[in-house]
Amino acid sequence: QSVLTQPPSASGTPGQRVTISCSGSSSNIGSNTVNWYQQFPGMAPKLLIYSNDQRPSGVPDRFSGSKSGTSASLAISGLQSEDEADYYCAAWDDSLNALFGGGTKLTVL
Amino acid sequence: VQLQESGPGLVKPSETLSLTCHVSGASITSWYWTWIRQPPGKGLEWIGYIYYRGSVKYNPSLKSRVTMSVDTSKSQFSLKLSSVTAADTAVYYCAREIEEGILTGYSNWLDPWGQGTLVTVSS
Repeated sequence: QSVLTQPPSASGTPGQRVTISCSGSSSNIGSNTVNWYQQFPGMAPKLLIYSNDQRPSGVPDRFSGSKSGTSASLAISGLQSEDEADYYCAAWDDSLNALFGGGTKLTVL
Repeated sequence: VQLQESGPGLVKPSETLSLTCHVSGASITSWYWTWIRQPPGKGLEWIGYIYYRGSVKYNPSLKSRVTMSVDTSKSQFSLKLSSVTAADTAVYYCAREIEEGILTGYSNWLDPWGQGTLVTVSS
């Protein structure tokens, strides 16, 4: 059971906007920033969003992150077939332990 | 910046798993370095981090079995996990931890990651 809670699955059709939620507590998301990672089958995770809403160079602006209180969200607009992957949220807790969500499998219908 | 894990792909139960992560393109003395694992078909689990001066932080659930070290001369850091069982079978990743100074709280993230190495615990 992960400390950060994500829905196990999400889906959308091409062009649609999809959001993935990540719920935590006051000692992790509530007081520290959130990151999101994208992972394709057989590949290492890749940083998608850092510091709640910042995109690393090379990440399309279709991907956006937000945080409110003890929850965070990843939004993907203009969904594309190549976005089909697993998505993980992460945050550090107040004791500097890194925490991951259980992951959300995104299916593009 | 590139990270590359190496080590045995098969470890016997009760023995010690040993992995190394070689760092290129960045100074190993400038960052925190992290290990993460992912059991087959499951999610990510943070194992811990190390700083070159020896400062470490381990996942409380693994703390009694984990040891991390840094070899600055070889630009690499290592993971040892003792008394392994089948539950330790996973893809093990190394990653750089980046920390941003903010007014309150912590702003940390992992980038980049190594490609990962599968370690199977079996007799």
